[in-house]
Amino acid sequence: DAKTTQPPSMDCAEGRAANLPCNHSTISGNEYVYWYRQIHSQGPQYIIHGLKNNETNEMASLIITEDRKSSTLILPHATLRDTAVYYCIDGTGTASKLTFGTGTRLQVTL
Amino acid sequence: KAGVTQTPRYLIKTRGQQVTLSCSPISGHRSVSWYQQTPGQGLQFLFEYFSETQRNKGNFPGRFSGRQFSNSRSEMNVSTLELGDSALYLCASSSLANEQFFGPGTRLTVL
Repeated sequence: DAKTTQPPSMDCAEGRAANLPCNHSTISGNEYVYWYRQIHSQGPQYIIHGLKNNETNEMASLIITEDRKSSTLILPHATLRDTAVYYCIDGTGTASKLTFGTGTRLQVTL
Repeated sequence: KAGVTQTPRYLIKTRGQQVTLSCSPISGHRSVSWYQQTPGQGLQFLFEYFSETQRNKGNFPGRFSGRQFSNSRSEMNVSTLELGDSALYLCASSSLANEQFFGPGTRLTVL
């Protein structure tokens, strides 16, 4: 079973920031926070990961709270192509066995 | 760098048959994982291979098996197909870094 909880759906206007929350209530000290997304009929796409520091890459920013029990994925300027299901996952560093939950379906609208 | 490739992309089989799916990882990646995705159960981990050895296994019956070759290419096999095996089967490869790269999947329909 998935160890994270996410809202089932969110809407965001194009050009605005999309902030997707995730709760990691059972995360342990050596587990990373990963974010993936899946656009309809495609395989999941890696977005970003972090351990305890905030991270930023060309796709998104990841904010992890100090107690690591929650995280937020930020897409700074959402576009229609960002419409997808977003999954947050916590797991060990090998990343070889990911337990996906039901994710958040983000709908970006005009 | 070429991404993860999976063949075939679509497959139709009948109950009782067996099927073999193929995955070619990104060049240099030695870990290959397989997942099953269905509308009802979501994305579920099947197994992972690293250097030709199964390193992790999910909670699937023995009808689901896999292997990895010396060039890191991997195959998964499902024997005695059931209607419930209809799904999108995804393969992912990873390097020593933490992210996994997924292929486009093979959509299997069992009639």
